[in-house]
Amino acid sequence: AQKVTQAQTEISVVEKEDVTLDCVYETRDTTYYLFWYKQPPSGELVFLIRRNSFDEQNEISGRYSWNFQKSTSSFNFTITASQVVDSAVYFCALSVRNSGGYQKVTFGTGTKLQVIP
Amino acid sequence: DARVTQTPRHKVTEMGQEVTMRCQPILGHNTVFWYRQTMMQGLELLAYFRNRAPLDDSGMPKDRFSAEMPDATLATLKIQPSEPRDSAVYFCASGLNSFSGNTIYFGEGSWLTVV
Repeated sequence: AQKVTQAQTEISVVEKEDVTLDCVYETRDTTYYLFWYKQPPSGELVFLIRRNSFDEQNEISGRYSWNFQKSTSSFNFTITASQVVDSAVYFCALSVRNSGGYQKVTFGTGTKLQVIP
Repeated sequence: DARVTQTPRHKVTEMGQEVTMRCQPILGHNTVFWYRQTMMQGLELLAYFRNRAPLDDSGMPKDRFSAEMPDATLATLKIQPSEPRDSAVYFCASGLNSFSGNTIYFGEGSWLTVV
């Protein structure tokens, strides 16, 4: 069975601070994909990034960076120099191929980030 | 800017009434998902379609919920009769295919309140 744990329920930081959102996953599959989504107060879920299990290179996109470590089954997300607009709930998700041959996605419970001006 | 479109955005209805939520997936996407989000349960998969055929609806209460794809540009989720416990945000999402690396793109959600 697949599992995604986002142990941080809520985080508050002051604007311009760096913040890291943790994501730990469990799966027995050797091929899998990891995702991060952002849900701002307006409610929509916005796709941020997708990584596959064979690519452990870290990725940076502007102020966002992702650290994928298979050894610890973690896919952490860091926001550098946080801004008020980063305030949102962030979801980590794990996707595998199920026994029926199609995609099965497991979402974490989300981390609510509040950036204080 | 391609996006998943959902209607209605907000709905308040009385218990016992039928509710229909509609979704237009991104053009060219052949997989459609319905998720329900609540504070208690988080994001739950209700139904999953590929090429308009249901792949998985095991998460959907069959007695009152039904999901269909009348055509490739329209997915519907119906609740009949609705109950207060159905109050939640219902998201439709779509993807290009069904392999495990498929990126799922979400709509803005339909916020349902049953009183």
